[in-house]
Amino acid sequence: EIVMTQSPATLSVSPGERATLSCRASQSVSSNLAWYQQKPGQAPRLLIYGASTRATGIPARFSGSGSGTEFTLTISSLQSEDFAVYYCQQYNNWPLTFGGGTKVVIK
Amino acid sequence: QVQLQESGPGLVKPSETLSLTCTVSGYSISSGYYWGWIRQPPGKGLEWIGSIYHTGSTYYNPSLKSRVTISLDTSENQFSLKLSSVTAADTAVYYCARGQQQPGTSNWFDPWGQGTLVTVSS
Repeated sequence: EIVMTQSPATLSVSPGERATLSCRASQSVSSNLAWYQQKPGQAPRLLIYGASTRATGIPARFSGSGSGTEFTLTISSLQSEDFAVYYCQQYNNWPLTFGGGTKVVIK
Repeated sequence: QVQLQESGPGLVKPSETLSLTCTVSGYSISSGYYWGWIRQPPGKGLEWIGSIYHTGSTYYNPSLKSRVTISLDTSENQFSLKLSSVTAADTAVYYCARGQQQPGTSNWFDPWGQGTLVTVSS
């Protein structure tokens, strides 16, 4: 099983600032990585797949990068609606595995 | 626009079987894609339970495999989850989702149902 590790667990950011979230895989997942956003009481929403491809309707301020074992989700200028928990997920191998999440909070 | 909706009992007794159904609208599940179940214990992260391909092939999380069955009901455009011998550790919000893929990979999920809380308690 591939273990996904996200850091930091909590990220404190001011509105308008850049947020950088990290996700590390215990072995290479190539570019087979997705990012999700989850707000309280809601289901996760797909942001990024293929490590860097934005899903339909996702604003351009969200970008993903990386390959192999190291991945980054960048939110270029945080808006109020972006404060949420973010999860990465590898789909290179079964079983599918998620990271533990990064909670982005208002500074 | 594809939409998914979970349904089933919100309370299950320990040692019994949890049964949930996901009703899909806007797409015929027999036409393609994977269809998956993911759960989230209160205040915790996401755990993949399993996925079923539109042909009926199944993939399960090894940690749950001995207790999980996922099946399709194409006549109702639904897929279902059965989890046997439940304990309090199975208390979670259960989500169904459509699994998307590229050749040679497994699934990422989009869209998701709204989720349903299942509590295991006597």
